[in-house]
Amino acid sequence: SQQGEEDPQALSIQEGENATMNCSYKTSINNLQWYRQNSGRGLVHLILIRSNEREKHSGRLRVTLDTSKKSSSLLITASRAADTASYFCATDGRGAQKLVFGQGTRLTINP
Amino acid sequence: GAVVSQHPSWVICKSGTSVKIECRSLDFQATTMFWYRQFPKQSLMLMATSNEGSKATYEQGVEKDKFLINHASLTLSTLTVTSAHPEDSSFYICSARTPGRAFYNSPLHFGNGTRLTVT
Repeated sequence: SQQGEEDPQALSIQEGENATMNCSYKTSINNLQWYRQNSGRGLVHLILIRSNEREKHSGRLRVTLDTSKKSSSLLITASRAADTASYFCATDGRGAQKLVFGQGTRLTINP
Repeated sequence: GAVVSQHPSWVICKSGTSVKIECRSLDFQATTMFWYRQFPKQSLMLMATSNEGSKATYEQGVEKDKFLINHASLTLSTLTVTSAHPEDSSFYICSARTPGRAFYNSPLHFGNGTRLTVT
């Protein structure tokens, strides 16, 4: 299985601080994606980074990808209470048309 | 754009009955949809890939006769949990790819999920 592993499983920080989540995967990929899930809801796509990219930004989000280490990180800067959610990385194996999700990081932002 | 609607959002049924969950792409055509299952505080597990006009592709360990998938049109896929048992209680989520983009460059758009409770 190429299912990713995320670290930490849970993270609790104060509003305004930065939150960093890490994801590792097992096989080669076309891209890696990050999603957010609010409790009891579906997932919302945050950002996609291709295998030939090393860093990508979107608003307060910064994603890095290190294909040599098969790892990625998601940084949320200046966190807000509304960022409280679970965050998942997802990868697709080359030639595969499906996404496999990591275990997720439960992020809690304390006001 | 690219809105996926899932219905119902929650359902309670008795053991032995069947439950149908609908997944619709509202403003685009989806030739492929994906069905996931999620247990509390866990990740999403892909159950099957639903292909319009053809049979679904099930992941290893998923019972085809238990989880019937029908993708009869370009905007609708259904998942029927047959002869449901308490262990089938879970959160089921469908998704579809962004239309018009290659699969390797295409995020998924998710429905809001269906909470199934079998008593």
